[in-house]
Amino acid sequence: QKEVEQNSGPLSVPEGAIASLNCTYSDRGSQSFFWYRQYSGKSPELIMFIYSNGDKEDGRFTAQLNKASQYVSLLIRDSQPSDSATYLCAVNRIWGKSTFGDGTTLTVKP
Amino acid sequence: DTAVSQTPKYLVTQMGNDKSIKCEQNLGHDTMYWYKQDSKKFLKIMFSYNNKELIINETVPNRFSPKSPDKAHLNLHINSLELGDSAVYFCASSQELTRGGETQYFGPGTRLLVL
Repeated sequence: QKEVEQNSGPLSVPEGAIASLNCTYSDRGSQSFFWYRQYSGKSPELIMFIYSNGDKEDGRFTAQLNKASQYVSLLIRDSQPSDSATYLCAVNRIWGKSTFGDGTTLTVKP
Repeated sequence: DTAVSQTPKYLVTQMGNDKSIKCEQNLGHDTMYWYKQDSKKFLKIMFSYNNKELIINETVPNRFSPKSPDKAHLNLHINSLELGDSAVYFCASSQELTRGGETQYFGPGTRLLVL
């Protein structure tokens, strides 16, 4: 079992729809959870981090964390073509080590 | 101003050669990292340093040797390059830890191609 698993893509949604990206992790001791976005040929950039159960909202993005289910998700409301990218889930258990999922590629169609 | 910079951006070399990649961050962060991203886009940590001290060393061949002369720099030297070393290598940095402080800032990447 992989330490961090993301829903297999690619994921395609129409412009204006809600995109839902999911991530599960195996280590119950994980403390911090991150969503990064990576455009093709570019480096990853942080979208959001979350470390408490529940929802965290930032603009069109909402991160949801459920530690009991070992599940973290990212919702993108009103999806735009510029949201088309690969989204990487990262999980930290110990300082200095982030474990990344394989990524989910999102395409938002105009 | 570039927060995390890497040189070179592209590196094409022959099998068996030795090469180095340099990384510098001007964010004042305490922790720096090297990641390898393969052709399937899987991002895997190789090393992390905190204040020039190695804290994470994943199962990386000892042909890879990181070096941190100061907390703003983390270089990666690779000996006897192999075809399988072809990948994009990302440097990153983060601040020492408070909740969420582990947010990592990535450099632009170095695209290594071993022929």
